Amino acid sequence: EAGVAQSPRYKIIEKRQSVAFWCNPISGHATLYWYQQILGQGPKLLIQFQNNGVVDDSQLPKDRFSAERLKGVDSTLKIQPAKLEDSAVYLCASSPTGIYGYTFGSGTRLTVV
Amino acid sequence: GESVGLHLPTLSVQEGDNSIINCAYSNSASDYFIWYKQESGKGPQFIIDIRSNMDKRQGQRVTVLLNKTVKHLSLQIAATQPGDSAVYFCAENQVDSSYKLIFGSGTRLLVRP
Repeated sequence: EAGVAQSPRYKIIEKRQSVAFWCNPISGHATLYWYQQILGQGPKLLIQFQNNGVVDDSQLPKDRFSAERLKGVDSTLKIQPAKLEDSAVYLCASSPTGIYGYTFGSGTRLTVV
Repeated sequence: GESVGLHLPTLSVQEGDNSIINCAYSNSASDYFIWYKQESGKGPQFIIDIRSNMDKRQGQRVTVLLNKTVKHLSLQIAATQPGDSAVYFCAENQVDSSYKLIFGSGTRLLVRP
């Protein structure tokens, strides 16, 4: 079974620029999650989708972050405009249902300069 | 130990010794827990899980212990190998209307040859 695919692997942008990350979950996984992992910390949940609907976005900084999963398959996370403190690894995870079978992608490392 | 700023607590062990990594979780209502291993440049990888109705579960070379009284998890790795060097996170499923994992701050395991 193919894993969770994320792209790009690395991105360097200047502050105030925009950036987008893409995630393709494991086929058939209904639930998709985006996490932010700052260096030296555990992953922090940003948003959770069930199919194409948002289940929880309480930790998403909505003034600059947005995410969508229009067809209930792949997803895009966008930051506009980026700040220095957004430098982190952005991880996507998916699960078939509920909490079991949670699988992570390798992440996108964002550096804002 | 306690993490300070960007520094993860670190456990250094001799190859062949047993390792014990500890984690304090936050929510007494959490009903499911997972230990993850994260190597540099990769996403978290599932190691072992345990439900709240158990206090011990064993896998291949790994054992997870759960003490609900003091909200404490531990991961025991037998005969630690160089390939075990990584950052280890515990994660809990906080019971509410959705299924999502909340991560702890992590411990770095260094295996000395």
